[in-house]
Amino acid sequence: SQQGEEDPQALSIQEGENATMNCSYKTSINNLQWYRQNSGRGLVHLILIRSNEREKHSGRLRVTLDTSKKSSSLLITASRAADTASYFCATSAGNQFYFGTGTSLTVIP
Amino acid sequence: AAGVIQSPRHLIKEKRETATLKCYPIPRHDTVYWYQQGPGQDPQFLISFYEKMQSDKGSIPDRFSAQQFSDYHSELNMSSLELGDSALYFCASSPILAGALHEQYFGPGTRLTVT
Repeated sequence: SQQGEEDPQALSIQEGENATMNCSYKTSINNLQWYRQNSGRGLVHLILIRSNEREKHSGRLRVTLDTSKKSSSLLITASRAADTASYFCATSAGNQFYFGTGTSLTVIP
Repeated sequence: AAGVIQSPRHLIKEKRETATLKCYPIPRHDTVYWYQQGPGQDPQFLISFYEKMQSDKGSIPDRFSAQQFSDYHSELNMSSLELGDSALYFCASSPILAGALHEQYFGPGTRLTVT
């Protein structure tokens, strides 16, 4: 399937540390997006990276995309307890979006 | 800024009943997507509409139907509800740009519980 797979599935870090999550996908994409979701809540769009981009920054977020390896990483720097959430990557091919299985991040105060 | 609006936010139905979920996209967004997210699962794409026409179909059961109206809002109709339909249903909207390089903006979701 097109769905992205993320690793790790769960990550627990201390406040102030950096958190890195990875996403792999299977086929060609138009773009890749990262979302966060607090437990039982809606999806919040974080950042979009186009297939012709290699790196993008937004605040404490840094996203990389390696189309040759069909993978992306999301780095959250100087993590805060409020960053605790599930993080999903979603790939776009045509008009469909496919979500990965998500990484559950816990930031310990 | 206006966001995607979904109603109702919570819905409780019994097995075999019918449910209708509504989605109001961000103004000037002409594309709407529906997703289903079961407990502990990742969101699964159901169906999408562009300019009031169905543009893509994912894992949507035959018991479900959807449409997009002239004001671009969309409704997801679910009949003969089953316990397994209990999930969070998200709607997302996006403006279509050339090459489908668009961002999706998600609504808060409707939590459907089937008892």
